[in-house]
Amino acid sequence: AQKVTQAQTEISVVEKEDVTLDCVYETRDTTYYLFWYKQPPSGELVFLIRRNSFDEQNEISGRYSWNFQKSTSSFNFTITASQVVDSAVYFCALSSYTNAGKSTFGDGTTLTVKP
Amino acid sequence: DSGVTQTPKHLITATGQRVTLRCSPRSGDLSVYWYQQSLDQGLQFLIQYYNGEERAKGNILERFSAQQFPDLHSELNLSSLELGDSALYFCASSVVSGEGETQYFGPGTRLLVL
Repeated sequence: AQKVTQAQTEISVVEKEDVTLDCVYETRDTTYYLFWYKQPPSGELVFLIRRNSFDEQNEISGRYSWNFQKSTSSFNFTITASQVVDSAVYFCALSSYTNAGKSTFGDGTTLTVKP
Repeated sequence: DSGVTQTPKHLITATGQRVTLRCSPRSGDLSVYWYQQSLDQGLQFLIQYYNGEERAKGNILERFSAQQFPDLHSELNLSSLELGDSALYFCASSVVSGEGETQYFGPGTRLLVL
């Protein structure tokens, strides 16, 4: 069975601070996909990234970066110089490589960025 | 605007009833996913279709069914509704490129079962 744990239920930071959202996963698969999604207060879901398990290079996209460490089964998400618009619930998810559509989600981390 | 449309936006119905949720993917996207988000269960994957065929199945109840039509729109049918089916139902479509697969979500259908 697959499991995703986002231990941080809520995080509050002040604008311009860096913040890291933790994601730890469990799977018996040797190859798999990891995802991050954003859900702002307006309620829509926004896909942020999909990373496959055989690519352990860190990913950077603007102020966002992702650190994948297979050895610790973690896929952490860092926002640099946070902004109020980053306030949202962030979900981490996992799927097997052979059944990529079937995702298991974490419970989400609510990030509040204060001005 | 993601380009994915879902109708209706809101739906209020009674227990025991049946409803149909509709999703139109972005033009050209062959994959459609359905997700349920509720306070009790969190975010859950229900089912995925690819070009009319079921591709992956998640925690979808037997009372629920879905299909993807030749024009690629998809419908999620929920029957014998229970109070616990009250949730936000999202669909997403996806495109595969050299950088991998990117999903685009619709605004969701909020279902309230009374």
